[in-house]
Amino acid sequence: GAVVSQHPSWVICKSGTSVKIECRSLDFQATTMFWYRQFPKQSLMLMATSNEGSKATYEQGVEKDKFLINHASLTLSTLTVTSAHPEDSSFYICSAGPRGAGYTFGSGTRLTVV
Amino acid sequence: KNQVEQSPQSLIILEGKNCTLQCNYTVSPFSNLRWYKQDTGRGPVSLTIMTFSENTKSNGRYTATLDADTKQSSLHITASQLSDSASYICVCILTGGGNKLTFGTGTQLKVEL
Repeated sequence: GAVVSQHPSWVICKSGTSVKIECRSLDFQATTMFWYRQFPKQSLMLMATSNEGSKATYEQGVEKDKFLINHASLTLSTLTVTSAHPEDSSFYICSAGPRGAGYTFGSGTRLTVV
Repeated sequence: KNQVEQSPQSLIILEGKNCTLQCNYTVSPFSNLRWYKQDTGRGPVSLTIMTFSENTKSNGRYTATLDADTKQSSLHITASQLSDSASYICVCILTGGGNKLTFGTGTQLKVEL
């Protein structure tokens, strides 16, 4: 079955620095990947859709300059949280799947900004 | 508005007991419905997948049902184990919606000794 790998599992960074999170499809090519954010005891909220070779599509209210997405290959999408602040602390999850579906999720990244 | 609501919000049961989680949806047009298990600090893992024409689907101790007429789904867990403690999320996928997922509010299950 489809396997999606996400790295790192957790990261702590200082306020003002940038953090990069990677999402890889291990056994299929992913033309589309999805990035979610999840706050404690809440459901996943779609942040953006990452498209291989083109610009990402951001959901309303998500700052594209704050959350930079790069999908340079068919197996890798990255999310960079720029100039991170404590309010960016959250659980970030990616998803992908064959034929552009996003039914398989990565293991998530816990970001803590101090 | 496409919505997916789950009940109960949280549930505590004793190990070995059975439980049933509910999902009501208004998503239309409907492609398929999935149940996921999300352990704390981890990404969701798929348990069952059902199209609108399927009534039931099993995966080990997990059995999902779907009633497309009433727009209800349930997830039945048999002989619960401590490792079943997690959040269970009902997800609907729109037909022709660009594979967009509509997430339920989740049920937090705790299995105790």
